[in-house]
Amino acid sequence: SQQGEEDPQALSIQEGENATMNCSYKTSINNLQWYRQNSGRGLVHLILIRSNEREKHSGRLRVTLDTSKKSSSLLITASRAADTASYFCATVPSGANNLFFGTGTRLTVIP
Amino acid sequence: DTAVSQTPKYLVTQMGNDKSIKCEQNLGHDTMYWYKQDSKKFLKIMFSYNNKELIINETVPNRFSPKSPDKAHLNLHINSLELGDSAVYFCASSQVSRQGVSGYTFGSGTRLTVV
Repeated sequence: SQQGEEDPQALSIQEGENATMNCSYKTSINNLQWYRQNSGRGLVHLILIRSNEREKHSGRLRVTLDTSKKSSSLLITASRAADTASYFCATVPSGANNLFFGTGTRLTVIP
Repeated sequence: DTAVSQTPKYLVTQMGNDKSIKCEQNLGHDTMYWYKQDSKKFLKIMFSYNNKELIINETVPNRFSPKSPDKAHLNLHINSLELGDSAVYFCASSQVSRQGVSGYTFGSGTRLTVV
């Protein structure tokens, strides 16, 4: 299976704290992407990091990629209640154009 | 203004029926997809399609068939619906370039319930 795994499965933090989610995958990749899904809604693309990049920032989001360990992390700084959602990492394997999703992390930010 | 729109949002139907879910994108993307999200929130790709190639996930039953009248539309037809087909189905689109595939834009999903 090309599906990745995310850790932790669920994370609960206080507003203002940082949230870190980890993703591991199995194959060589072209790029890795993170998505957010609010309850009952579609997925929203957050950030894309290419296999030759190690770190990327977008607002309060910081993504790292370690291709030697086949892992990535998503850091959300200064979390807000509105960040409560499920977060998925997804990989595009080398030579493919399809996204394969991880199992997701359910983040709850307590006001 | 909706970038990827799919209809209907909810679909309740009886076992054995045939149903369709429509998807349209106005982003000018060249590739469209269908994903299935089960009750545990696992997302699995079912099909990817551009005007050159249809790629089918081999685990998808042949009761499911995509139909694309043009590059802005990718509809999903399901024959002889079964209880296990109950899930949320997401349409998505992306642009493939020499650098690889871009981020996907997803529709809001169709919750299919088979009774």
